[in-house]
Amino acid sequence: GNSVTQMEGPVTLSEEAFLTINCTYTATGYPSLFWYVQYPGEGLQLLLKATKADDKGSNKGFEATYRKETTSFHLEKGSVQVSDSAVYFCALGNAGNMLTFGGGTRLMVKP
Amino acid sequence: DSGVTQTPKHLITATGQRVTLRCSPRSGDLSVYWYQQSLDQGLQFLIQYYNGEERAKGNILERFSAQQFPDLHSELNLSSLELGDSALYFCASSVVGGGATGNTIYFGEGSWLTVV
Repeated sequence: GNSVTQMEGPVTLSEEAFLTINCTYTATGYPSLFWYVQYPGEGLQLLLKATKADDKGSNKGFEATYRKETTSFHLEKGSVQVSDSAVYFCALGNAGNMLTFGGGTRLMVKP
Repeated sequence: DSGVTQTPKHLITATGQRVTLRCSPRSGDLSVYWYQQSLDQGLQFLIQYYNGEERAKGNILERFSAQQFPDLHSELNLSSLELGDSALYFCASSVVGGGATGNTIYFGEGSWLTVV
């Protein structure tokens, strides 16, 4: 079946540090890949997505590249801000149209 | 604001009771999804409806049921509630099928259910 594994948190960084949150997946077929973010007390917001191998999704300074050879979709940002503190979810979309989520990674950015 | 509206935002109820969570999808979206977020299980897909018909079923308990009405709003009914049902329940919607097609699935802010 489909599954998504992402690094456990919390990840604690200082402002302006480089961020990487690892995400790997197992899937049949050709899934789409997503990163969602959940700010404290809010719902899930789509951060970025990629629909095929080698695609790069980007938004708000965050990037992730769909790597089929390593079945990965790692999230990166060059310089994090305090306002980026949130829980980040990697997700896989399959032919059944629902999303399979990873366990979430809490990011804490300190000033 | 995603355009997906969920009510109520918070709900506290006793074990054994029944509750109904309501969701209005984004305008024009035909698919509605329900997810459960709990501390121990993470985000779990429950069920999907498309234009009034059940499309896919995930880890939904038999005590839970859902439906999508002709105006496309959806309700999730939770009965014989147990302490372990305490969770954040998300509704989401997409134009057609999301997921593999790459169509974005938009989430509401969730309904917090506390069972005491």
